[in-house]
Amino acid sequence: ETGVTQTPRHLVMGMTNKKSLKCEQHLGHNAMYWYKQSAKKPLELMFVYNFKEQTENNSVPSRFSPECPNSSHLFLHLHTLQPEDSALYLCASSQGGAGEFYEQYFGPGTRLTVT
Amino acid sequence: GQSLEQPSEVTAVEGAIVQINCTYQTSGFYGLSWYQQHDGGAPTFLSYNALDGLEETGRFSSFLSRSDSYGYLLLQELQMKDSASYFCAVRDRGTALIFGKGTTLSVSS
Repeated sequence: ETGVTQTPRHLVMGMTNKKSLKCEQHLGHNAMYWYKQSAKKPLELMFVYNFKEQTENNSVPSRFSPECPNSSHLFLHLHTLQPEDSALYLCASSQGGAGEFYEQYFGPGTRLTVT
Repeated sequence: GQSLEQPSEVTAVEGAIVQINCTYQTSGFYGLSWYQQHDGGAPTFLSYNALDGLEETGRFSSFLSRSDSYGYLLLQELQMKDSASYFCAVRDRGTALIFGKGTTLSVSS
């Protein structure tokens, strides 16, 4: 247990569905991240939130929409996905702010399959 | 572009020593991290080097040479439970990390 939880752990959705992934951290951190992990590819950073403000959008298609209502919760809203979006989606958190290094704590991920 | 290169697979036997190399090419550099990920599990933090030299944490050590854009993770006294994927990651700005593709380590008895 890393203190970062993700739900659901597995999700199968059709290309016309709308679903949301949820991440919650119990570590008192101020920064939260979404990553995509596909087979044989590096973890790809998608979004970064620092103190509830989005500080990074790594050219992610608009069919992925993040939401960070507070420092403990992060959502990824999904709609009209493509089969190539099937992957493991990982949430992470860390202390926030630039200038200092803070290790990132990862959740167990949501295994998404788009049919 | 930004890239991190590390071997895709490494095999070793229990008790051995293994070195996983990582070379990077990024627009910025604040430090090099290493993460471990077991099959089906979450990546977990192992080490971080911001300055040149060797950092030791138990059986694991990590090295950085900023002039060579190179680092490595050294695993000693290998155990079966060390079988996992190992990722190097560069902090190039702010808090964001750029990850390598990962090295799958297989430890046999």
